[in-house]
Amino acid sequence: AQSVTQLDSQVPVFEEAPVELRCNYSSSVSVYLFWYVQYPNQGLQLLLKYLSGSTLVKGINGFEAEFNKSQTSFHLRKPSVHISDTAEYFCAVTAPEYGNKLVFGAGTILRVKS
Amino acid sequence: KAGVTQTPRYLIKTRGQQVTLSCSPISGHRSVSWYQQTPGQGLQFLFEYFSETQRNKGNFPGRFSGRQFSNSRSEMNVSTLELGDSALYLCASSSTPDRAGELFFGEGSRLTVL
Repeated sequence: AQSVTQLDSQVPVFEEAPVELRCNYSSSVSVYLFWYVQYPNQGLQLLLKYLSGSTLVKGINGFEAEFNKSQTSFHLRKPSVHISDTAEYFCAVTAPEYGNKLVFGAGTILRVKS
Repeated sequence: KAGVTQTPRYLIKTRGQQVTLSCSPISGHRSVSWYQQTPGQGLQFLFEYFSETQRNKGNFPGRFSGRQFSNSRSEMNVSTLELGDSALYLCASSSTPDRAGELFFGEGSRLTVL
């Protein structure tokens, strides 16, 4: 079985400050890892993904994440946030044999303040 | 290119009724997945279809069913509605199941059960 834990339910941060949203996963098989973002009253949008290869992955809107197998983590980072980054962020895991059956974390609400 | 289209966007039903939700994937995408999003349980996988065949199924009762048509459009049905079925139902498409986890989501159908 797979599971995802997002360690913070809400993260408040001032505009132009750096931010890290934490994600830990559990899986008995090799994993694919994802971060999705959901803006109010919208569906989810893929920010970035780790399938294999380089453990540092870059995504859209200046976000990046690092896959750490030993710590079973996939934390999301951005060096300087904008008001428009205010949204809910979801970490998700699947495995090659599970296809599109994603297991999502509970989500982290990022609140960017001016 | 048009995104994933879900209809209806909002609907209200009463307990015991049934509901059908529709999803049109991005043109050329043949895999469609459905997720339920609630404040209490978060995002949970319902099922995935590819080429009119159900590939994966989540842990939901048999009241939840789905199908996919030859044009890749998909419907999901919930029979004998319960209050706990109130949720945002999200449809997502991908080009093939091999693009595991790389999903394009619609804006969802928000179901309220009274």
